[in-house]
Amino acid sequence: DTGVSQDPRHKITKRGQNVTFRCDPISEHNRLYWYRQTLGQGPEFLTYFQNEAQLEKSRLLSDRFSAERPKGSFSTLEIQRTEQGDSAMYLCASSLGVDGVNTEAFFGQGTRLTVV
Amino acid sequence: QKEVEQDPGPLSVPEGAIVSLNCTYSNSAFQYFMWYRQYSRKGPELLMYTYSSGNKEDGRFTAQVDKSSKYISLFIRDSQPSDSATYLCAMRGAAGNNRKLIWGLGTSLAVNP
Repeated sequence: DTGVSQDPRHKITKRGQNVTFRCDPISEHNRLYWYRQTLGQGPEFLTYFQNEAQLEKSRLLSDRFSAERPKGSFSTLEIQRTEQGDSAMYLCASSLGVDGVNTEAFFGQGTRLTVV
Repeated sequence: QKEVEQDPGPLSVPEGAIVSLNCTYSNSAFQYFMWYRQYSRKGPELLMYTYSSGNKEDGRFTAQVDKSSKYISLFIRDSQPSDSATYLCAMRGAAGNNRKLIWGLGTSLAVNP
């Protein structure tokens, strides 16, 4: 399977615990995005990497959230001290950006987080 | 006013019907327009990708963009029960401007056998 891969698919955690999600983009894609989606809403942008550089972060990304893409390949999203409001589907997408042109983004299946 | 408006539905049609889904937007800088299909508890799947104005056809799906009216549409011909999903429109500006996709809320579609 050469699509975007996310792990785990589901995560249930107690409030106050830390969680980490992983995203493996399509191998030749240099751009990687994290989104959050709640029921009945479209995806909300969280952050974006070009290679290993984190170029943009949404105001939605509080200081409890951190994302990394250390080698410009896979990325991790960590949420510290989880709150019930963090319960959502966390989506990763990747695209190829070459010479100022950005191709369409392909999404993974998402990680569904439930904070109890 | 939201940058992208999309009626959330739900929309319920009989099998074989022609389905019309649409979004309006306010940002004239948007140039790339996408339709994603999302099944329950799955990630969005890219369905159609259109640059600027015009029509694009792919099998039973046709995407239309009218930049003068800031209006985009997705038509599904001969709809099937397997088309039952949420359809999300997304759009963005040209490279170097807004790399972020701006999304509609999604329209929930049910095709009844």
